[in-house]
Amino acid sequence: GAVVSQHPSRVICKSGTSVKIECRSLDFQATTMFWYRQFPKKSLMLMATSNEGSKATYEQGVEKDKFLINHASLTLSTLTVTSAHPEDSSFYICSVGQASGEQYFGPGTRLTVT
Amino acid sequence: AQTVTQSQPEMSVQEAETVTLSCTYDTSESDYYLFWYKQPPSRQMILVIRQEAYKQQNATENRFSVNFQKAAKSFSLKISDSQLGDAAMYFCAYRKDGTSYGKLTFGQGTILTVHP
Repeated sequence: GAVVSQHPSRVICKSGTSVKIECRSLDFQATTMFWYRQFPKKSLMLMATSNEGSKATYEQGVEKDKFLINHASLTLSTLTVTSAHPEDSSFYICSVGQASGEQYFGPGTRLTVT
Repeated sequence: AQTVTQSQPEMSVQEAETVTLSCTYDTSESDYYLFWYKQPPSRQMILVIRQEAYKQQNATENRFSVNFQKAAKSFSLKISDSQLGDAAMYFCAYRKDGTSYGKLTFGQGTILTVHP
């Protein structure tokens, strides 16, 4: 399966600042990547579908101006949390979709907003 | 909309024993994909097994097998000869199509504890 990396693995930022999370597909050209948010011991909540070279598709209830997604190349998608607040603290996971149907996931990024 | 339900928030099993995790789903589609993912304490999501709905034969991957009942919309995971490393949160997931842009719908998850 695809190998996916995320950077950083954990980040602490102050309230009101912005933070960028990178998701890289290391061995596969990904036209589609997905961004999820996960709270402790809870399921993954899909935030948006990232499409290479076009605008991301956001799920209902996800603020597109707050969670900016850029998928500028076939190997990189970024999620920027703008004007972060403590309620944005969470575990963010990206995945790469393959034509065979599977998704392969990055190791996740733990965001803490103080 | 498709929904996936895992009715067992927590399960436990003795090492070397067998455990079955339940999953039901709701869909009006005839062709779709089902998956079980494992999330250990590291929180890295790992694909355990997949099943295409058009295949009648149940998928098997080493100690992991599924019982796919299409009419009942049931997709359970059996773990045989449980090992300590199997301890994790397990998610059942549904996907409508096999394209790269198809979204996954996850169940609530089941926390599996393995006792030595």
